[in-house]
Amino acid sequence: QVQLQESGPGLVKPSETLSLTCAVSGYSISSGYYWGWIRQPPGKGLEWIGSIYHSGSTYYNPSLKSRVTISVDTSKNQFSLKLSSVTAADTAVYYCARLVVVPAAMPVWWFDPWGQGTLVTVSS
Amino acid sequence: DIQMTQSPSSLSASVGDRVTITCRASQGISNYLAWYQQKPGKVPKLLIYAASTLQSGVPSRFSGSGSGTDFTLTISSLQPEDVATYYCQKSGTFGGGTKVEIK
Repeated sequence: QVQLQESGPGLVKPSETLSLTCAVSGYSISSGYYWGWIRQPPGKGLEWIGSIYHSGSTYYNPSLKSRVTISVDTSKNQFSLKLSSVTAADTAVYYCARLVVVPAAMPVWWFDPWGQGTLVTVSS
Repeated sequence: DIQMTQSPSSLSASVGDRVTITCRASQGISNYLAWYQQKPGKVPKLLIYAASTLQSGVPSRFSGSGSGTDFTLTISSLQPEDVATYYCQKSGTFGGGTKVEIK
């Protein structure tokens, strides 16, 4: 059974870089699948941040693309998120998840399973 | 970019009621739609994918339908444990969510 667990600082200062890691257990990242990050501001909806394949190919939400870097470390079976120049608007619960990608003419995927999520607060 | 619009944003119904949530895509997406359930303080859970396929372990009172631009999530008989916010999703875009409460 695949399990994902996010880790990283719960408090980040404005203008600094948010860094999170998602450790995967029960499945080898190098065997396949895409892996991704989603966030949810307190009391609000879900926002996809970006995704990565085990080969390192990445896809980012256009609205965040200039500030996001997602990387993968197959030797540690984990992938990571970096979000630069954060502001209070980046305060959210950050989830990592596995993507189930469907072969189609347009990009198609859904997220399953999800990690437990980690709250990151941006404040001085 | 595709926009996903859910309605209503919230609803209150009695136990045993039939509940319907709608999701509309700004352009045709075939059946490439998923539904998630997020109970208060919990992690989102995949309920339905490919518009109508029930994820393993999901109770049969949940069903999904639709294709193209209009989709529906139905709970045939609302139970107390169904109190949650439900989201539709097409790849990188989520709907705004529908909060379901018990009357």
